[in-house]
Amino acid sequence: QKEVEQDPGPLSVPEGAIVSLNCTYSNSAFQYFMWYRQYSRKGPELLMYTYSSGNKEDGRFTAQVDKSSKYISLFIRDSQPSDSATYLCAMSEGDDYKLSFGAGTTVTVRA
Amino acid sequence: GAVVSQHPSRVICKSGTSVKIECRSLDFQATTMFWYRQFPKQSLMLMATSNEGSKATYEQGVEKDKFLINHASLTLSTLTVTSAHPEDSSFYICSANRDSLYGGYTFGSGTRLTVV
Repeated sequence: QKEVEQDPGPLSVPEGAIVSLNCTYSNSAFQYFMWYRQYSRKGPELLMYTYSSGNKEDGRFTAQVDKSSKYISLFIRDSQPSDSATYLCAMSEGDDYKLSFGAGTTVTVRA
Repeated sequence: GAVVSQHPSRVICKSGTSVKIECRSLDFQATTMFWYRQFPKQSLMLMATSNEGSKATYEQGVEKDKFLINHASLTLSTLTVTSAHPEDSSFYICSANRDSLYGGYTFGSGTRLTVV
């Protein structure tokens, strides 16, 4: 069993739809949870960063963390074609600890 | 926000030669940097953790003598692929963590290495 599980998709949605992404994990020591967006042949770009359980909203993006269920989610509202990318969840046990990544979900937003 | 610069973005080299990739934190000091390798349509695979002033910590299965890491200062880490072979062709990405108050880990733009 992988430490972080993420459905690789692909996921295709029409423009304006809500994109729902999620990851599950097995290591209860994880405290920091991140979502990255990666365009082809580019480095990952940090979208959301949360500590412990709870919700965090930033513009069209909402991240949720449920540590009791070991489950995190990312929602993208009013999706745009420019949101088409691979989305990676990542988590760590603390500052300067290595990140554990999900497999990444490829998302396509159709115009 | 935290900025990590990686250079070069793309390099082609001949088999048997060595290639150096640089990773710089531009607006913060990073005692720890990370080096990843990514194959097409796959997630990032951690190769090693680079610690300023000390030896790097390599992940299991990563050859220390092939992938030399030097973290000479608080803003610069280098990865040297020695005696490169075609199977070393990949996308290499570095990352640094400013600290949790500033949103955590930032990645460089990556280096596409092709060994011919």
